[in-house]
Amino acid sequence: GAVVSQHPSRVICKSGTSVKIECRSLDFQATTMFWYRQFPKQSLMLMATSNEGSKATYEQGVEKDKFLINHASLTLSTLTVTSAHPEDSSFYICSASRASEEKLFFGSGTQLSVL
Amino acid sequence: SQQGEEDPQALSIQEGENATMNCSYKTSINNLQWYRQNSGRGLVHLILIRSNEREKHSGRLRVTLDTSKKSSSLLITASRAADTASYFCATSANQAGTALIFGKGTTLSVSS
Repeated sequence: GAVVSQHPSRVICKSGTSVKIECRSLDFQATTMFWYRQFPKQSLMLMATSNEGSKATYEQGVEKDKFLINHASLTLSTLTVTSAHPEDSSFYICSASRASEEKLFFGSGTQLSVL
Repeated sequence: SQQGEEDPQALSIQEGENATMNCSYKTSINNLQWYRQNSGRGLVHLILIRSNEREKHSGRLRVTLDTSKKSSSLLITASRAADTASYFCATSANQAGTALIFGKGTTLSVSS
């Protein structure tokens, strides 16, 4: 149980376009979802925390207008990278928490390459 | 933000040997967790230790926590080639449903 599905796994786009990444909890309702960013051979940096039906809370230094997060239901959160630029190229990973559990369940990540 | 350092950054061992990874953190915690990441994939939860615990075991994994030194260690015994991955510690200051802050990770390579 506790499977988190993330799509797409890999996306290549042109500079200036927008890219949407989906994160779904398949067999549980996620009380909270988190979006992380990871550069090659580095750790995960928390970008934002989202709760269903409310605005996401962004970490310091993360542009909320560039990284739009929508948490439409208890099983779906989306991250849209707007007007992507090459410096946005990175590995984006979503995770979800299940009620009363401290551990997180992670999606398999999305490798974004902006040309 | 990141919690702190993990060492070593990279570790190469032979199958059957033990691997020890260390993690330090900066702030007060509710619990500390260890995760594993295979290259280009998401993270998988390995083990959680609470702030009032000093040691925990799960299969070939042994985790220790020293809150006075703000440090933890992960020991993998009798390593296998399949243990090759990156290992991250992560801390939580609060209870369930809060974000985890990750350390920098240790890349473990186990050769057969």
